[in-house]
Amino acid sequence: KQEVTQIPAALSVPEGENLVLNCSFTDSAIYNLQWFRQDPGKGLTSLLLIQSSQREQTSGRLNASLDKSSGRSTLYIAASQPGDSATYLCAAYHSTGNQFYFGTGTSLTVIP
Amino acid sequence: NAGVMQNPRHLVRRRGQEARLRCSPMKGHSHVYWYRQLPEEGLKFMVYLQKENIIDESGMPKERFSAEFPKEGPSILRIQQVVRGDSAAYFCASSPQGRREAFFGQGTRLTVV
Repeated sequence: KQEVTQIPAALSVPEGENLVLNCSFTDSAIYNLQWFRQDPGKGLTSLLLIQSSQREQTSGRLNASLDKSSGRSTLYIAASQPGDSATYLCAAYHSTGNQFYFGTGTSLTVIP
Repeated sequence: NAGVMQNPRHLVRRRGQEARLRCSPMKGHSHVYWYRQLPEEGLKFMVYLQKENIIDESGMPKERFSAEFPKEGPSILRIQQVVRGDSAAYFCASSPQGRREAFFGQGTRLTVV
């Protein structure tokens, strides 16, 4: 069974700082890995999707990397802004499975 | 192209009543997933459906819960005889054929009183 872990559980940084969120998974046989953000009381917004054959994906100030062999993915946020404050979730889809396995998230607060 | 639509957004039911949660996937998406999120907990898989088929219901409680995705209309998650422990946010995600990429709705927040 796939286990997905996110560290740290909570992070507080001053505005403008670059930061890295970590996601690890126990089974490297993944189809893809997807990063989401969730605002309080809201649904999940997809940020980036990395296919198993890819090493990274970029969108604006966000960059996600994937290292299947070590079971890790990172989400890099450049020049953080207060509007980035949210919970960030990663989800791995197993290559032979039928579901997205979610981590418990990193709660990010960017202080103005 | 509208996103995944879930309704109602908030639902209050008394213990013992039935709850029906609806999910309309994005246009052209034929795969639907249902997840449950409890306060301070992660998202837990419940069921994966394709049109007219339940593919994987390994995360569904054995009793009181059922799901369907008919040929026409939205996917329905049905909870019979609700109990306080069913109070949670229920999220639906859709995915296009051949691509395991999830697009989530805004969720239905069920409160059982």
